[in-house]
Amino acid sequence: EAGVTQFPSHSVIEKGQTVTLRCDPISGHDNLYWYRRVMGKEIKFLLHFVKESKQDESGMPNNRFLAERTGGTYSTLKVQPAELEDSGVYFCVSGRSSTEAFFGQGTRLTVV
Amino acid sequence: DQQVKQNSPSLSVQEGRISILNCDYTNSMFDYFLWYKKYPAEGPTFLISISSIKDKNEDGRFTVFLNKSAKHLSLHIVPSQPGDSAVYFCAASGHNFNKFYFGSGTKLNVKP
Repeated sequence: EAGVTQFPSHSVIEKGQTVTLRCDPISGHDNLYWYRRVMGKEIKFLLHFVKESKQDESGMPNNRFLAERTGGTYSTLKVQPAELEDSGVYFCVSGRSSTEAFFGQGTRLTVV
Repeated sequence: DQQVKQNSPSLSVQEGRISILNCDYTNSMFDYFLWYKKYPAEGPTFLISISSIKDKNEDGRFTVFLNKSAKHLSLHIVPSQPGDSAVYFCAASGHNFNKFYFGSGTKLNVKP
């Protein structure tokens, strides 16, 4: 069974540019989360999808971040325009229930 | 405001000895706790979990202890092996939550 897959694994962009991260969850997992870890701090919640619906986006830092999950399968997280403080590792997590969490390998975003 | 805290950023242990990683939480509504292990350039992988109805859960060399009154849990690794060297994250969730709250991680180094 394929795990959670994230693309790209690493992205370096200039401040003001746009970046789109993609996540393919484990097949059959209705729950999909985005988390972020900044500079060795805690892994912080960004938002939660159940199928294609956003259940909770209370962790999204601001309106420069937009997440979508069209058709309830893969998800994208767009940052536009990127700022320096957006640098970090973005993890996608999927699960069948609220007590299950399988991580992708993460996308390391560096904004310069 | 961080609801799950790992106050030791790093721990160094000799091979064969016990590793004890600690985690504290603030929200008494958490009823499910997990430990994840993370190697560099990989996503965290699930290690062991415990429900609040238990105070101990054991899986091979790994044991998690939960002290609800103190809002504290710990992960014991016995005996420690060099391959256990990684960053360990504590996480909390539960039926009243639709997301996981993570600590900032403890980097374990097991010396041969």
